[in-house]
Amino acid sequence: KNEVEQSPQNLTAQEGEFITINCSYSVGISALHWLQQHPGGGIVSLFMLSSGKKKHGRLIATINIQEKHSSLHITASHPRDSAVYICAPGGADGLTFGKGTHLIIQP
Amino acid sequence: DVKVTQSSRYLVKRTGEKVFLECVQDMDHENMFWYRQDPGLGLRLIYFSYDVKMKEKGDIPEGYSVSREKKERFSLILESASTNQTSMYLCASSLLPSGGAGGTQYFGPGTRLTVL
Repeated sequence: KNEVEQSPQNLTAQEGEFITINCSYSVGISALHWLQQHPGGGIVSLFMLSSGKKKHGRLIATINIQEKHSSLHITASHPRDSAVYICAPGGADGLTFGKGTHLIIQP
Repeated sequence: DVKVTQSSRYLVKRTGEKVFLECVQDMDHENMFWYRQDPGLGLRLIYFSYDVKMKEKGDIPEGYSVSREKKERFSLILESASTNQTSMYLCASSLLPSGGAGGTQYFGPGTRLTVL
């Protein structure tokens, strides 16, 4: 079973700061997903990546398959980015979810 | 846009009751999933289904069953609800198997179930 570690568990930052959330996993995978969950429960898929880097607006996700590590970056953070961010490596057994990083961006 | 809907946002039931949670997706997805989410534990897979009438146990199937009679609908059943089943329940669907590179999952809004 894939062991997934996310860091930090909690992060409070000021508006405008550059944010990095890290995800490490133990078993080789075919793709990794980053998810966002706002208060109230709804989960949205942000990225699915199997190599290199993807960018969507102010969000950037990178993955190093050999090192079993992925990062999610937020540039020019904004209070509306406050949410829980979850990484989910995907393999033959489906997705394994990290416990999430609770991000708060203060104005 | 893919839409996944769940029958209730909030539900309160009593111990021993039979509870049905319904999930409907409108994008003709083959794969559907039921998760529960608890503080400090993250999302855990209860059951999934890769086709009509097909089901597979996930990581924590005990105390639950599922039904998939139509492609768009996946139901989670708590045969006799217990207090330790108080949780947030999330349904998801995907076109391709979730482990693969094409398997983005689309989530419903969740049902917060309280069992008294």
